[in-house]
Amino acid sequence: GQQLNQSPQSMFIQEGEDVSMNCTSSSIFNTWLWYKQDPGEGPVLLIALYKAGELTSNGRLTAQFGITRKDSFLNISASIPSDVGIYFCAGPSNTGKLIFGQGTTLQVKP
Amino acid sequence: DSGVTQTPKHLITATGQRVTLRCSPRSGDLSVYWYQQSLDQGLQFLIQYYNGEERAKGNILERFSAQQFPDLHSELNLSSLELGDSALYFCASSVETNYNEQFFGPGTRLTVL
Repeated sequence: GQQLNQSPQSMFIQEGEDVSMNCTSSSIFNTWLWYKQDPGEGPVLLIALYKAGELTSNGRLTAQFGITRKDSFLNISASIPSDVGIYFCAGPSNTGKLIFGQGTTLQVKP
Repeated sequence: DSGVTQTPKHLITATGQRVTLRCSPRSGDLSVYWYQQSLDQGLQFLIQYYNGEERAKGNILERFSAQQFPDLHSELNLSSLELGDSALYFCASSVETNYNEQFFGPGTRLTVL
C-alpha cells in the first residue's frame, strides 16, 4: 500500500539552528500536510500544501510540495525549545484515507 | 485548542473489559475520524463517520466499533480488551467527508492491565 517515509527519524539540535526534514513516497500525492505532536497531546496541523511546487510559510516554518508530487519538505528556522516534538507528514491515500509518516522526533538543546 | 474534545483523558482497565471513548467534533464539522497511536505503530486510521454514517474503515478490529450520533458526537467502543490495545486513541474532525485538513483532539490514553 501507499506509504510515507520520513527522514530523519530523529534530530538533536542546538537552539537557534535551522532544521530540515522531508517526507517521500513512491506514489503521487495531491495534498501534503504537516502536523506537530507534543508529548501526550494530539497532532496539530501546521501547514497544508495543495499544489505541486507550492511553498508555504507559517511563522518560522516553511514547507514545500515537491514538483514530482512524491515528496515534501519542512524547514524550521532559528529553532527554539518549544519546537520540541514529533513532526508528521500526511497525505490522502488513493482510497481517501489520510495516511501518516512515522514521524521525525526533534529535540532542541537550549 | 483544536475545538475537538475527547473524554476521558485517561482510562485504566483490565483485560476482557469493555470501554467507550467519546469525541465531540469542532462546531460545524460533519466528519469524525478515529485513530490509534501506539509506540511501534505510529498513527493508524481506524474508522470515519460522516453525518452519522460510516464512510471509511481502516485497520479496525472486529472487537472495536464506533458510531456517530445525530448531534455529531462520536463514540468508539472497545471490547474484550487485550494488553495490546493499550494506546493513545485520537479523534479528529473535518468539515467534509474528503476534506483533508483534519483537526485532532487531545486523545484518550488507554491502559489495559
